[in-house]
Amino acid sequence: GESVGLHLPTLSVQEGDNSIINCAYSNSASDYFIWYKQESGKGPQFIIDIRSNMDKRQGQRVTVLLNKTVKHLSLQIAATQPGDSAVYFCAENPTRGSNYKLTFGKGTLLTVNP
Amino acid sequence: ETGVTQTPRHLVMGMTNKKSLKCEQHLGHNAMYWYKQSAKKPLELMFVYSLEERVENNSVPSRFSPECPNSSHLFLHLHTLQPEDSALYLCASSQDWGSGELFFGEGSRLTVL
Repeated sequence: GESVGLHLPTLSVQEGDNSIINCAYSNSASDYFIWYKQESGKGPQFIIDIRSNMDKRQGQRVTVLLNKTVKHLSLQIAATQPGDSAVYFCAENPTRGSNYKLTFGKGTLLTVNP
Repeated sequence: ETGVTQTPRHLVMGMTNKKSLKCEQHLGHNAMYWYKQSAKKPLELMFVYSLEERVENNSVPSRFSPECPNSSHLFLHLHTLQPEDSALYLCASSQDWGSGELFFGEGSRLTVL
């Protein structure tokens, strides 16, 4: 079956560095993608989303890039802070034109070292 | 504070017990969801309610029974569970069914002995 996956399960960065978290998807029909952040002991929190008619979208300190050619999604975090330490999930809507039924990836654990 | 409150935060139950998880959202949203989060597995959608009507049942065993008495409350009734049902159960809401931005509660950690 088609699924959302992640290239790396863990990522460790130094405080102040930029972080890049990657996600691969296999369903070419997916038209909507979201990044969620889950801190220890909490539920996932929406970070940023992007539709398939866009290549890039920026938020506060975060940027999501979508490469439809290679079915790749990335989340860039600028000037990573200790509070950014969390598990990051990408999610896709695999059914174009219907109500959203998000499929989540397994997650990447980001650790920010002081 | 996400506006979605789940109780209890932790629950331990035997395989023959009956218990319920409760979720309440204070956001005025029209859709509510139950997700299961197990170790090393992606989030799994269990149920979706839109305007108090169940619109999605993702092949969940009948030992899990959802209830949505109104648009602000969602329950998950648990009966005769198995040890493999131990997981974090997350409730979420969204403005409408179809909105990708989900607002999650902090989850109910369930352990089945």
